[in-house]
Amino acid sequence: EVHLVESGGGLVQPGESLRLSCAASGFTFSRYTMYWVRQAPGKGLQWVSTVNSGDGNTYYADSVKGRFTISRDNSKNTLYLQMNSLRAEDTAVYYCAKRGEGYYFDGWGQGALVTVSS
Amino acid sequence: EIVLTQSPGTLSLSPGERAALSCRASQTTSSTYLAWYQQKPGQAPRLLIYGASSRAAGIPDRFSGSGSGTDFTLTISRLEPEDFAVYYCQQYGSSSWTFGQGTKVEIK
Repeated sequence: EVHLVESGGGLVQPGESLRLSCAASGFTFSRYTMYWVRQAPGKGLQWVSTVNSGDGNTYYADSVKGRFTISRDNSKNTLYLQMNSLRAEDTAVYYCAKRGEGYYFDGWGQGALVTVSS
Repeated sequence: EIVLTQSPGTLSLSPGERAALSCRASQTTSSTYLAWYQQKPGQAPRLLIYGASSRAAGIPDRFSGSGSGTDFTLTISRLEPEDFAVYYCQQYGSSSWTFGQGTKVEIK
């Protein structure tokens, strides 16, 4: 069974940085593309970033491009999201998610809350 | 970027009734790339349907997906108490993943 556990969330001030981690188990982590998806309080889902399994290519939503960096450590079965220059509008629950056989998300973590406020 | 518009915003129905949720894309999208998720308060989303019409593992057969091109539908044949939740459609295109804004199915 897919098990994803996010950590590293918290309260930060605008302009500060934070790194989220997602520990994966229950599947062969290195073989799957992984994602970060976020949800602002009371709002819908927004894709944030993707890191491919094979070539390691990364993709970002325009709203975070140049500020966020996704990475993975296959030896530790862990996904990361480095978030710099945080803004109030980045406040959200951040979910890590696993790719299914197609371009969809077939496993989700419980989420990590990031609050950006002065 | 393809924009997904879900309707209605809120659907008020009684247990046992049929629910039909619409997801319309701003341009033609492959049905291969269309998925539906269910989210309950305080929980992560759960995959229901992928490839527009294939049920994910463990999803009851009262959930079905259909559609092609720009118009897709999630149908719940007979609402169970546990089905009252928010539903999102999602598509992939040009290295970008987008979600609709969601439809809330609430108890009437």
